[in-house]
Amino acid sequence: GDSVTQMEGPVTLSEEAFLTINCTYTATGYPSLFWYVQYPGEGLQLLLKATKADDKGSNKGFEATYRKETTSFHLEKGSVQVSDSAVYFCALSVTSGYALNFGKGTSLLVTP
Amino acid sequence: GAGVSQSPSNKVTEKGKDVELRCDPISGHTALYWYRQSLGQGLEFLIYFQGNSAPDKSGLPSDRFSAERTGGSVSTLTIQRTQQEDSAVYLCASRFDRGEYYGYTFGSGTRLTVV
Repeated sequence: GDSVTQMEGPVTLSEEAFLTINCTYTATGYPSLFWYVQYPGEGLQLLLKATKADDKGSNKGFEATYRKETTSFHLEKGSVQVSDSAVYFCALSVTSGYALNFGKGTSLLVTP
Repeated sequence: GAGVSQSPSNKVTEKGKDVELRCDPISGHTALYWYRQSLGQGLEFLIYFQGNSAPDKSGLPSDRFSAERTGGSVSTLTIQRTQQEDSAVYLCASRFDRGEYYGYTFGSGTRLTVV
């Protein structure tokens, strides 16, 4: 079945460090791919998405490129801030009619 | 409203009691989803409503779980005879469709604690 695998956390980085959170997927069709973020005490927010191969989603300094050849959608940010501390979820949707399939989430802690 | 509203935000119940969790989706959104977020388990899909179609109940973990959506808007997730393993955050999401472009908006969730 369709699934998402993302690296396990927690990830601890110093402020201004480079961030990569790996995400790979398995899907029978051509999924749309998403990154959601959950800040402490808040609900899930869409961070970025990509709907087809080679698309790059970007938002708030975060980027992810939809790589069909490696079935990946890794999240990157060049310089993290303390305010980026949150749990990040990779997700896919095979078609707009189906529910999102989520990875287990990666907790990120950025220290000053 | 501006977002997906869930109530209550927190619920503590005794084992064996029934609970009802409510979701008010964004007006005009076409679909509604329920997820469960357990510690260390990520988000687990429970059930999905799309228009007047029969709901997709494939994610419900047992027959103690049920959900309905009245008038194509408000949804209620009911858990009967709650067990301690039902303790989790229950998230509701609604989806809009604009042709090939679609997106999901999540509520802040209901934190259920079964004691």
